[in-house]
This record gives sequence, C-alpha cells and structure tokens, in this order.
Amino acid sequence: AQSVSQHNHHVILSEAASLELGCNYSYGGTVNLFWYVQYPGQHLQLLLKYFSGDPLVKGIKGFEAEFIKSKFSFNLRKPSVQWSDTAEYFCAVTGADDMRFGAGTRLTVKP
Amino acid sequence: DAEITQSPRHKITETGRQVTLACHQTWNHNNMFWYRQDLGHGLRLIHYSYGVQDTNKGEVSDGYSVSRSNTEDLPLTLESAASSQTSVYFCASSGVQGRNEQFFGPGTRLTVL
Repeated sequence: AQSVSQHNHHVILSEAASLELGCNYSYGGTVNLFWYVQYPGQHLQLLLKYFSGDPLVKGIKGFEAEFIKSKFSFNLRKPSVQWSDTAEYFCAVTGADDMRFGAGTRLTVKP
Repeated sequence: DAEITQSPRHKITETGRQVTLACHQTWNHNNMFWYRQDLGHGLRLIHYSYGVQDTNKGEVSDGYSVSRSNTEDLPLTLESAASSQTSVYFCASSGVQGRNEQFFGPGTRLTVL
C-alpha cells in the first residue's frame, strides 16, 4: 500500500527565513503528488500539484516543490516565509486508487 | 460558485448513539471521500465513492458506513458512536478517479462523550 512520510512534525521559523519541508512516499507505480495547506480553523486548500513534466512545480503564495523520482521525494520550499504562512502542511500522493496523506507538518512563523 | 458543505459543523453526542454527518457538493464530481483528522495521524480515509451506488472502505472504516444515492451527497453514519471516534471529519470530492486534486469541505468537529 502506498504511504507518505513527513519527517518534520513541527517547524518554527522567523519571518524571512527559508523553508523546506520533507515528504517521502512509498509507491511503486506512477504517482501524482500534492501539497495542501490548512490554516488555523480552516479546511485544506491545494498549494501545488505534480502530475508529470518539469519536476520543479510552482504553486500559490510563492511555494514550490521538487519531485525527485530516485529519492521518492517531493519536498516543499519557500525562499522567505511570512507570519501568514503559519499553518499545517500536508503532503499527499495518489496512485491508482485513493489519496494518502502524510501526518502533516505544523509550521509556526514568528514575526 | 461550486462548493462542498458539511453539516453540522459541531456535534456532541453520547457513546452508543447513531450519528450522521452530511456532505453535499455542487461540483458535480463523481468521486467523494470521507476523512478523519487526528493529531499525529494527518488525514485518514474512512470511505469513498466513485459514483452513485458505489462505496468503498478506506483504511479506518470500522464503525462507519456511507451510502451514495445521488451525485451530490455522501452522508457518513457512525452506527454506534464511540469515544475513539471523537475527531474532525472532512469530506472531499474530485472529478477524476484517484488521480486528481481533491476539494475539501469545512469539516465537522465531533465529540463523543
């Protein structure tokens, strides 16, 4: 069965710091990869997605992610975080069937 | 605008009671999903449906059931609520089976006392 691992449970950064959140997946076939964000008290929203093509994907709000097939990774990055990026971030993968989510990484950005 | 709505947004119930959480989407999506979100576990799939009359078990389906009588609705029923089912429940839908992004509802916070 496919699975998703997010190794950072809680990340604390100061504003303007760079961000990288790790995501590794386990699945043998073709996958689609997603990053979702959940702001406090809100539902999940899509940040970005990868289906095929250029492995460097740009999403909303300055986020990007790189798909490295050989490492089964899809790490999320942002060069300079803002206080408003405080949220929980979920990596997700779909294969042939359902979507599996990682446990999430809580990001706290200090002003 | 198309959307997904969930009701109620908050629910407190007692152990042993039957509870039904509603999910309604106006995207005209064939695929609908129910997840529960718990600290340290992320989102875990409870049940999903790829169309009317189709239902499938997810990874944590015990104690839950769903039915799909039309495209728009996928109600989730807890047959006999247990304290372990205290959680936040999210409904989602997608337009392409398995491979496309999912659109999420606002969630229902359920407390079982």
